[in-house]
Amino acid sequence: DAMVIQNPRYQVTQFGKPVTLSCSQTLNHNVMYWYQQKSSQAPKLLFHYYDKDFNNEADTPDNFQSRRPNTSFCFLDIRSPGLGDAAMYLCATSRVTSGRSDTQYFGPGTRLTVL
Amino acid sequence: AQSVAQPEDQVNVAEGNPLTVKCTYSVSGNPYLFWYVQYPNRGLQFLLKYITGDNLVKGSYGFEAEFNKSQTSFHLKKPSALVSDSALYFCAVRDPNTGGFKTIFGAGTRLFVKA
Repeated sequence: DAMVIQNPRYQVTQFGKPVTLSCSQTLNHNVMYWYQQKSSQAPKLLFHYYDKDFNNEADTPDNFQSRRPNTSFCFLDIRSPGLGDAAMYLCATSRVTSGRSDTQYFGPGTRLTVL
Repeated sequence: AQSVAQPEDQVNVAEGNPLTVKCTYSVSGNPYLFWYVQYPNRGLQFLLKYITGDNLVKGSYGFEAEFNKSQTSFHLKKPSALVSDSALYFCAVRDPNTGGFKTIFGAGTRLFVKA
């Protein structure tokens, strides 16, 4: 089945130790997104890639970076995690048709704990 | 500014009774409207969307939503609730005039269905 996969599902890191979260998709969608979600709040968009074009949200901290080496994979790098970065991180994808993005499909999420 | 409001933090309903989860939006132009459901420690699952056409949209798991342009509402409904419908529900809007890459999520409504 076509899907969005996130690894690992649970990640524990230490304060200040860099961590990378992974997302892959078999939907062949040209847009990939990273969201941060805290305590059942609304997901907050960090950034998205439209093909190879990176689009950062204005309020995303510099501590958060992303890489998209190919259509299928996208990574979220947190350079120096703080306690406030503990959250669920959601990857999503969507297809662009006629210049407009359609429905977003989400992965299961990675829950990050910072000790 | 674009916004989505889910006026109820929580909705309680008995199994077998109809349920409604409310959503209102504020977007210039014609919006794309979505409902997603989230179970504990999982990503968001797409339920249904409205882009154009019939105001009553049918989605997954027996859910439907009614688009009301004059009231700028997009309430989620189900004729007969199941205990397994208990989850967190998010209404979302995308502005197609900006390519639809940015999704604005409501704060979420927690649905409890009692047996």
